[in-house]
Amino acid sequence: NAGVTQTPKFRVLKTGQSMTLLCAQDMNHEYMYWYRQDPGMGLRLIHYSVGEGTTAKGEVPDGYNVSRLKKQNFLLGLESAAPSQTSVYFCASSRDKYNQPQHFGDGTRLSIL
Amino acid sequence: KQEVTQIPAALSVPEGENLVLNCSFTDSAIYNLQWFRQDPGKGLTSLLLIQSSQREQTSGRLNASLDKSSGRSTLYIAASQPGDSATYLCAARSGAGSYQLTFGKGTKLSVIP
Repeated sequence: NAGVTQTPKFRVLKTGQSMTLLCAQDMNHEYMYWYRQDPGMGLRLIHYSVGEGTTAKGEVPDGYNVSRLKKQNFLLGLESAAPSQTSVYFCASSRDKYNQPQHFGDGTRLSIL
Repeated sequence: KQEVTQIPAALSVPEGENLVLNCSFTDSAIYNLQWFRQDPGKGLTSLLLIQSSQREQTSGRLNASLDKSSGRSTLYIAASQPGDSATYLCAARSGAGSYQLTFGKGTKLSVIP
């Protein structure tokens, strides 16, 4: 029962470096999401995808890019990391838009120095 | 813009007590409301999802209610156990056209043996 798997679990970057976070789900879900969780801010939606080959902006998309080349994978990229992007990143997936719950991965803890 | 508030931020109860966690939202035109549990260092686990047309949902010792007119939802936990210790988050999905969940900041529950 893998569900939603995120890699890596931890990462430390220097300002200006780039990296890609990988999310994989094995539930054949159409919808996938990237969130960030910051102390005192709650979870905020970065980008989401409504199916293979599609992506859209969420509440806080600046500084991030995403791709969904395969239905089971959703990648989040940071082209030039900034200290403000230090956060815990969560990926989620759901079967449909509205009526089914979102299933979350265990998160990636990212620190930008 | 939807805002979701959870009070209190932290709650400590002795084992065996029944307890209520509160969630309030500013825009009553929600599509559904979801309750999650988050354990330290882990992702979110969906507990209950209440559609806007429903008044409550039950799962085991958990019961969630929804009152759209007053902008409130409650999560009732019966006969609390130390294993219930976690942070509980509620999230509202606003409007039929929105993919975005608006999260509260959570209530950290500690059940003391």
